[in-house]
Amino acid sequence: AQKVTQAQTEISVVEKEDVTLDCVYETRDTTYYLFWYKQPPSGELVFLIRRNSFDEQNEISGRYSWNFQKSTSSFNFTITASQVVDSAVYFCALSGPLQGAQKLVFGQGTRLTINP
Amino acid sequence: EAGVTQFPSHSVIEKGQTVTLRCDPISGHDNLYWYRRVMGKEIKFLLHFVKESKQDESGMPNNRFLAERTGGTYSTLKVQPAELEDSGVYFCASSQDFRREGSYEQYFGPGTRLTVT
Repeated sequence: AQKVTQAQTEISVVEKEDVTLDCVYETRDTTYYLFWYKQPPSGELVFLIRRNSFDEQNEISGRYSWNFQKSTSSFNFTITASQVVDSAVYFCALSGPLQGAQKLVFGQGTRLTINP
Repeated sequence: EAGVTQFPSHSVIEKGQTVTLRCDPISGHDNLYWYRRVMGKEIKFLLHFVKESKQDESGMPNNRFLAERTGGTYSTLKVQPAELEDSGVYFCASSQDFRREGSYEQYFGPGTRLTVT
C-alpha cells in the first residue's frame, strides 16, 4: 500500500528564515512519482513539482528547492528566505507508474505560516 | 486558459438531503479526478474518469455517491442521501494524458466545501 507522511502539522517562522517541510513515503512500486502542491487561502491546490523515482537530482526553482532521497524514502521541500506570500498549506503526494493507478495519495499537509 | 472550475463553492444541506457537485475540467483534458478532504484528515481519492468512462472508482465510500461524466466533458458528483460524515471539501482535478510524461500533472479546482447538518 502507498502512504505519505508529513509529520509537521504546523510550522511558523519569521519572514526571511529558511524552512524545510518534510515528506516521507512508502510504496512497493519500483517506478513512482512524487509531487508537492501548495494550497493558498483561496483554496485551490497549486502544482509545484513532480519528480519520478529514477531521478534523484535535487531541483531548485528560485527560492524553492527539493531534496529527493530514495535511501530514506524522503522528498523534502525547502523554502529559502521565506516570504509572507509563502503562507499556505503544503501537500506532498505520491502516485504509481504511468501505466497503473493514477490516483494521488496525499500526506496530511503542513500549514506554513510566515510572520512579518 | 481557464483552470478547473467547481460549483458551488459552498453548500450547506441537512442530513438526508441530496446535493450535486459539478466540475468543469480544463478544456481538452480527458482525465478527471474527484478527491475529498474530510476535516483534519488527508485528501483522499474518490474516482478517476477517462473521458466518459470510469477508470478507477476504488475510493468511492459507498453507494450514496454517484459520479457521472456524460459526454466526457464536465462531471457531477451526487450524494444521496447525505450523512454528517460526508462533510468536507470535495476537489476535482484534471490532466491531459496520464500515460505520457509531461502531460501527467493533475490540476486542481478550488474545491466545494460541503457541510451536512
